[in-house]
This record gives sequence, C-alpha cells and structure tokens, in this order.
Amino acid sequence: ELKVEQNPLFLSMQEGKNYTIYCNYSTTSDRLYWYRQDPGKSLESLFVLLSNGAVKQEGRLMASLDTKARLSTLHITAAVHDLSATYFCAVDMTGTASKLTFGTGTRLQVTL
Amino acid sequence: EPEVTQTPSHQVTQMGQEVILRCVPISNHLYFYWYRQILGQKVEFLVSFYNNEISEKSEIFDDQFSVERPDGSNFTLKIRSTKLEDSAMYFCASSVGPYNEQFFGPGTRLTVL
Repeated sequence: ELKVEQNPLFLSMQEGKNYTIYCNYSTTSDRLYWYRQDPGKSLESLFVLLSNGAVKQEGRLMASLDTKARLSTLHITAAVHDLSATYFCAVDMTGTASKLTFGTGTRLQVTL
Repeated sequence: EPEVTQTPSHQVTQMGQEVILRCVPISNHLYFYWYRQILGQKVEFLVSFYNNEISEKSEIFDDQFSVERPDGSNFTLKIRSTKLEDSAMYFCASSVGPYNEQFFGPGTRLTVL
C-alpha cells in the first residue's frame, strides 16, 4: 500500500523567512503533484512533477522531485501572508486512470 | 478557463437517506474521480471512472456507493443509505488522461444527521 507522509504537519513562519516542506512516499512512482487548499475550499493544483530531478518554480514556491529517494520538497522563499494555506502532496502509481494518494497535508501559517 | 463544477455545495440529510452528488467535469476530459475529505483530515480516493465504467475503487467505496455518467456531461456519486461517518467534503476531479493533472471541483459538503 502506498503511503505518503509530509512534514511538518503544521508550520508557523514569519513573513520574509524561508522554509521547506517535505513529502516522502513509500513505493516507486515518477509522478508527484502539489496542491494548495484554503480553508473550506477546493484543491488548487500548484505543480506537476513528472520525472526524477524535476524542478518547477512559481513565484515564491519551488518544488522538486527525487524519485530515487522517494522525496519531494516544496520550498518557500521569503514567505508572505497570502501563502497561508494547507499544502498537500499527492502521488499516483503506474496504471490506468491512476488514483492520487494524498499526504497528510502541511498547514502553513505565515504571520506578519 | 474551464473548470469542474459540483452541486449542491452543501447537502444535509438524515441517516439512512439516499443522496446524489453531482459533478460536471471539464468537457474534453475523459477520466473522472471522486475523493472525500473528512474535516481536518487528508483527501482520500474513492473511485475512478473511464469509458463508462469504474477503473478502480477504494475500500471506502462499498456497496452503498455507486457512480454514473447519465449523460455526456454529468458525473454522479450516489450514497444509498447514508451513515453518520459519511459526513465529509466530497470532491469530484477530472483529467485529460490517466497520468495527467487532475482538476478538482469546489466540493460538496455532506452532513449526515
């Protein structure tokens, strides 16, 4: 059974600081996704990482994937309050119409 | 920009009642999914659907659940006899292909009393 773990579960950080969220998964997969969820809202796709070594950046967020280590990171640079949300990584396994297995989520709170 | 839509946004029902949650996936997408999220917890896969049949389902998706694509646009999730523990946010998602990004709808909050 595929397990996806994130840490930390909760992160409180000041504006302007940098931090990294980690996502580990238990079995081989070449595809990893990052989503953002605001309270009571849906899941917004942030990044799609489709191969080992993939790195994608959007604004203050950068995601990377190391399939050998079964690890993805979401790095936050110079955090701003608007980044406060819960961030989920999700992994799918090879197969038709793959399902996503989500991580536990990291609730990020950026304080002024 | 095309988006997945879901109705209703909130459904309150009594235990034992049947509910139908509706979704309209993005029009050129071929793969459809239902997920649920119990309050404060992670998102869990329920079922995937392609070519008018279920591709995969989770242990949660027992005989009380069914999915249907009754016409060319709607995708529904039916819970025949709701239980208290079915209370959750239900998200519909769709993708162009099996390995493509899944786009999520806004969700239906189901409350079972």
